[in-house]
Amino acid sequence: AQTVTQSQPEMSVQEAETVTLSCTYDTSENNYYLFWYKQPPSRQMILVIRQEAYKQQNATENRFSVNFQKAAKSFSLKISDSQLGDTAMYFCAFMEPSGGAQKLVFGQGTRLTINP
Amino acid sequence: GAVVSQHPSRVICKSGTSVKIECRSLDFQATTMFWYRQFPKKSLMLMATSNEGSKATYEQGVEKDKFLINHASLTLSTLTVTSAHPEDSSFYICSARDWGGNEKLFFGSGTQLSVL
Repeated sequence: AQTVTQSQPEMSVQEAETVTLSCTYDTSENNYYLFWYKQPPSRQMILVIRQEAYKQQNATENRFSVNFQKAAKSFSLKISDSQLGDTAMYFCAFMEPSGGAQKLVFGQGTRLTINP
Repeated sequence: GAVVSQHPSRVICKSGTSVKIECRSLDFQATTMFWYRQFPKKSLMLMATSNEGSKATYEQGVEKDKFLINHASLTLSTLTVTSAHPEDSSFYICSARDWGGNEKLFFGSGTQLSVL
């Protein structure tokens, strides 16, 4: 079974700084999807960024980018120019490839606080 | 983006009663819906996968007679917590995948269940 590990339970940085959240996963699959979700205090799950495993290029969405290292099974999220609104729980997630159940497996989460 | 509506957002019930939670895809047809449970400051744990017109697939350790799932149409899945007990108190979240079967999942806003 696939597992996702986030080794940083909590992180805190100053506004405008850059922060990197780490995530590792374990799978025997070659094709799959990886995601970072944000869960603010409202508890609504918000998709931050996604990465297809077959793409070597790292995904980027405005201030959010990933460092995808397939061989190392690592998928870190970098938030540049952090803002107060980035304060939230961040979950790394793995999805089985097409043909499977395509269910999401989540990591334990990292609570990120952006300080003014 | 696609919208998933989840109701109620909060429910308080007495021990021994049953509670139904609805998850609706408002602007797309969802062949598959997922139900998650989240304890305070913890990650999302998949409870079951719900496919339209067929029986739900439950994760190991989830009591199917306790958590009844019905996916009678392409836009509605329901989770009924039967004979609720205080230990069932939790935050329940649904997610839905559209008919296209791609990797994008859309989340409801969650239901906080409190059993007295």
